[in-house]
Amino acid sequence: GESVGLHLPTLSVQEGDNSIINCAYSNSASDYFIWYKQESGKGPQFIIDIRSNMDKRQGQRVTVLLNKTVKHLSLQIAATQPGDSAVYFCAENGGATNKLIFGTGTLLAVQP
Amino acid sequence: ETGVTQSPTHLIKTRGQQVTLRCSSQSGHNTVSWYQQALGQGPQFIFQYYREEENGRGNFPPRFSGLQFPNYSSELNVNALELDDSALYLCASSFYVSGTGGTDTQYFGPGTRLTVL
Repeated sequence: GESVGLHLPTLSVQEGDNSIINCAYSNSASDYFIWYKQESGKGPQFIIDIRSNMDKRQGQRVTVLLNKTVKHLSLQIAATQPGDSAVYFCAENGGATNKLIFGTGTLLAVQP
Repeated sequence: ETGVTQSPTHLIKTRGQQVTLRCSSQSGHNTVSWYQQALGQGPQFIFQYYREEENGRGNFPPRFSGLQFPNYSSELNVNALELDDSALYLCASSFYVSGTGGTDTQYFGPGTRLTVL
């Protein structure tokens, strides 16, 4: 079936370092991808999105890369801060299905 | 913070009971989607409502039902609660783009934590 998975369940980085969170997706028909950040006890917070006609998109301190050839998505966070500590989910939207398909998430732990 | 609100924040029910969860969408949004998030897992799509009708459904039994009101707010109803229904229930609002077959970015509320004993 369709799935979105993450390679690393936990990522520990030092404050100030760059973080890279990876995600693999299985539905080649998906045309829209989103990264969400979820802090403990809160709902997922939108970080950045990318459509399938793009390879890269940049936001404030974050960059999303999409490699459709290998069905891989990554989130890069520059100069990681303690406030970035959270679980990060990638999600895909197959367009007509209207639903987001989430992976299990990666826990980012920022060490001071 | 998004403009999506949910109530209540926490709820405890016993097996077999019924529950209603509520969601108010962000201003300017016309679509509400509901997700179930078990502990340690990613959210799972339950269904979506657009123009007061169900507009897509995930792999959930009929005892999960919903409503959307003219002001775009929504309810999620779960009948005959089971222990496995214990989860965080998330509501997300978005703007449905007619003719494209999909919605714009979905923004989530804080969720309702449901515990079934």
